[in-house]
Amino acid sequence: GDSVTQMEGPVTLSEEAFLTINCTYTATGYPSLFWYVQYPGEGLQLLLKATKADDKGSNKGFEATYRKETTSFHLEKGSVQVSDSAVYFCALRNNDYKLSFGAGTTVTVRA
Amino acid sequence: EAGVAQSPRYKIIEKRQSVAFWCNPISGHATLYWYQQILGQGPKLLIQFQNNGVVDDSQLPKDRFSAERLKGVDSTLKIQPAKLEDSAVYLCASSLGTAGGNTIYFGEGSWLTVV
Repeated sequence: GDSVTQMEGPVTLSEEAFLTINCTYTATGYPSLFWYVQYPGEGLQLLLKATKADDKGSNKGFEATYRKETTSFHLEKGSVQVSDSAVYFCALRNNDYKLSFGAGTTVTVRA
Repeated sequence: EAGVAQSPRYKIIEKRQSVAFWCNPISGHATLYWYQQILGQGPKLLIQFQNNGVVDDSQLPKDRFSAERLKGVDSTLKIQPAKLEDSAVYLCASSLGTAGGNTIYFGEGSWLTVV
């Protein structure tokens, strides 16, 4: 079945540092890929998405490119802020319409 | 635009008791989902509705969990009797439809602690 594997956390870094969270997937066909973010005490929010190969999703300074050849959708941000501290989830949605999530990566940004 | 509404936000019950969670999706969204998120894990789909019909409930523990979506709008998720391992956040989500590119919007979740 479909599955998502993402980099284990927790990740701790300083403000203005570069952030990368690796995400790879296993799926048949051509899934849509998503990054969701969960801030402390809040629900999941869609951060960005890509629906086909080579698409780049971007939002709030975060980017991720759908790489079919490496089945990856790595999340990057060039300069993180304290307010980016959250749990980040990579997810995919395939023809069965289910949203399958990775285990999540906790990111803490220190001032 | 109002988001997905859930209640209660927090609930503490003893094992073997029952609990019910309510969800009101975004207006016009035909597809409604219930996810279970255990601490330290990603959300897991419990049940998916399309209007008032069940599309997928393959991961719903039907001996203790039940869900309904009468009239194709609001939904309730019930657990009876609860077990300790049911302690989790129960997330309701909705989307316009089931097409892969449709965004799924999540509520803030109902946090359940079973003691």
